[in-house]
This record gives sequence, structure tokens and C-alpha cells, in this order.
Amino acid sequence: DQQVKQNSPSLSVQEGRISILNCDYTNSMFDYFLWYKKYPAEGPTFLISISSIKDKNEDGRFTVFLNKSAKHLSLHIVPSQPGDSAVYFCAASTLPGGTSYGKLTFGQGTILTVHP
Amino acid sequence: KAGVTQTPRYLIKTRGQQVTLSCSPISGHRSVSWYQQTPGQGLQFLFEYFSETQRNKGNFPGRFSGRQFSNSRSEMNVSTLELGDSALYLCASKIEGGETQYFGPGTRLLVL
Repeated sequence: DQQVKQNSPSLSVQEGRISILNCDYTNSMFDYFLWYKKYPAEGPTFLISISSIKDKNEDGRFTVFLNKSAKHLSLHIVPSQPGDSAVYFCAASTLPGGTSYGKLTFGQGTILTVHP
Repeated sequence: KAGVTQTPRYLIKTRGQQVTLSCSPISGHRSVSWYQQTPGQGLQFLFEYFSETQRNKGNFPGRFSGRQFSNSRSEMNVSTLELGDSALYLCASKIEGGETQYFGPGTRLLVL
């Protein structure tokens, strides 16, 4: 039962254009969502997050949008740069307690390639 | 502030052996979570420790265990290694009450 899904295994974008990475979830108890960037054989690097009480959060070139009714979030990168090429994971957590302490549920990741 | 550190970075073991991995969280972070990343299963939650107590555990067999020390450093142990245990093992730390976990570089385990 995959509760967090990233349906696009890969995305290719030209430098300077917008990259849009998508993520869907099924568990309505998720209340916090995060995006991580990862290079092979390295740990994920935190990019940006959003609480379920918001529908948008911005940090520089990165913006995350949350549509709770659709159980969908997206990460926008504008403008895209070749250094953004990596695997992007979305992750979700529920309010702490019980079986949710310290647990992030991850999507399968999307490989982003930004061409010069 | 130093990030999460993990040792060793790479490890090769044979089936049936056991292994211990170490994680030092960011200073002030008392919650440490462990994850396994494999090509087939992605990133899977193993367990979480806080104040030397395991508060949560994922769906892994009992061969996977862990502990946390009073300085918040954590270790995980895998006994009777199987080929399928070959993976990148990641630990992450966060402050209590915070939502964002910060990851270490991982330990790449290869079981032959």
C-alpha cells in the first residue's frame, strides 16, 4: 500500500525553464509534507516543506503547492539550473504520536535532468 | 552546526554475519530515525529513537534492532545478514516538536 506516490519516474527540462514535480497521497491523516533532493549514494537534502494548514510555501526558486482536497502536492523550481539535476523525493508525516513518531513516508522519487 | 554523521560510509559483509552502524545527530536533536533505501522498495522507515527509547518501528524483521545513548547518538544492528539487506542505510535527526528531519550521508552496506 503505497501511501505517497510520485507517478513520473523522470522529468527532463531545459535550463531556465520551470520544473514541476508532482506527488499524490492517499492517507488523509498526513499533515506535513516535505521535499528532499538526493544524489546517488548520498543522504537526502531537505529543500522545502509545507504544513497542511497552508496551500503554498516559497523559498527562493522553490515553491511547494498543496491541494488537500485532491491529496496532491507539487514542487515548482523556477528557473531550473543544471545543478538541480538529482532525484527528488516527496515525503509526508502525520501528527506525532503512536505509530507515527519519527516516521516519514516517502514517494518513489522523480529523476530531474536539467539540460544546459 | 555540524550535520548528521554516519560511520562507516561503506561496509562489505558476508551472509550470516552481523553489522553495527553508527549515527551522530545534529547537536540538540534528540530524535533519531533510521531508514533503508533499496532500488526496489525505495526509502523505508526502520525505527525511531528518542531519549534512549524506541518510540516507533517499521515493518522489518527482528534481525534489525537499534539503540540510542544518553548523548543521542544511535546505533543500528542487523544480525544474520541476508543478501537482501544490501542497501543504503540512512539516519535522520530532528528536534523534538519539529517536523523536518535532516539526513546523514548514509552507510552503503553490501552483503555477499
